Amino acid sequence: QVQLQESGPGLVKPSETLSLTCTVSGGSISSYYWTWIRQPPGKGLEWIGYIYYSGSTSYNPSLKGRVTISLDTSKNQFSLKLSSVTAADTAVYYCARLKAGGGMDVWGHGTTVTVSS
Amino acid sequence: EIVLTQSPGTLSLSPGERATLSCRASQSISSSYLAWYQQKPGQAPRLLIYGTSSRATGIPDRFSGSGSGTDFTLTISRLEPEDFAVYYCQQYGSSPVTFGPGTKVDIK
Repeated sequence: QVQLQESGPGLVKPSETLSLTCTVSGGSISSYYWTWIRQPPGKGLEWIGYIYYSGSTSYNPSLKGRVTISLDTSKNQFSLKLSSVTAADTAVYYCARLKAGGGMDVWGHGTTVTVSS
Repeated sequence: EIVLTQSPGTLSLSPGERATLSCRASQSISSSYLAWYQQKPGQAPRLLIYGTSSRATGIPDRFSGSGSGTDFTLTISRLEPEDFAVYYCQQYGSSPVTFGPGTKVDIK
C-alpha cells in the first residue's frame, strides 16, 4: 500500500528556510493532491498547502506567501519550503495524500522541526 | 475562510457508552467535503470518515458520520478502549482547507 515518509532537518535557525521532502512509496504520485499539514506542540492541525499532480498549488494565506510546495515525479517526491521561519513555526510537520472527495487517507509519521538559534 | 467549531472540547465517557461529537461550520459546506480524523498521542491523524458519512478503509462500523449544510456529527456507538483519542473535523471543499480545534474523548 502507499506509504509516505517525511525527511529533512530537525533544527532550523530563525529567519532561515525550512525544507522538507516527502517520499511516496508503493504507489504513483498521479491523480491526488499532495499535502503538507503541521501541528505545533500541544495544539491542533493546520493545513499548509497542497500540490496537485498536474503541478497546480494552493497555499494557506495565513502563511503570508512564505510557502512553496513542489513536485518531483521522477523521484515520487514532493517538497515543502517555508521561508523566514520564527519560533512560531516549530511543529510536527506531516505530509499526506488528499483524494478529491475522499479526505486525507494516507499520512506520513510526521517529523519534528524546531526553530531555534 | 470556513471556520469549524467543535463541541464539546472534552467528552468524558466510559467504555461501552455512546459518543456524539459535533462540528459546526461558519458557512455551508458541500457534504462531499467534510471529513473526520482520529489522533492518538505521538501518532499521525487517521482518516475515519469522508464525504460526511463514508467510512474509510478498515474503520469499524461503530463509527458513523452524518449532517449537512453547517452542522455535522460523528457518532461512536459503543466506545472501545482504543477509541479514547482526539477527533478533528475538516473541510476540504474550499481553500484554505480548515480543521476544527478538536474534541478530546477521555475515560471517565
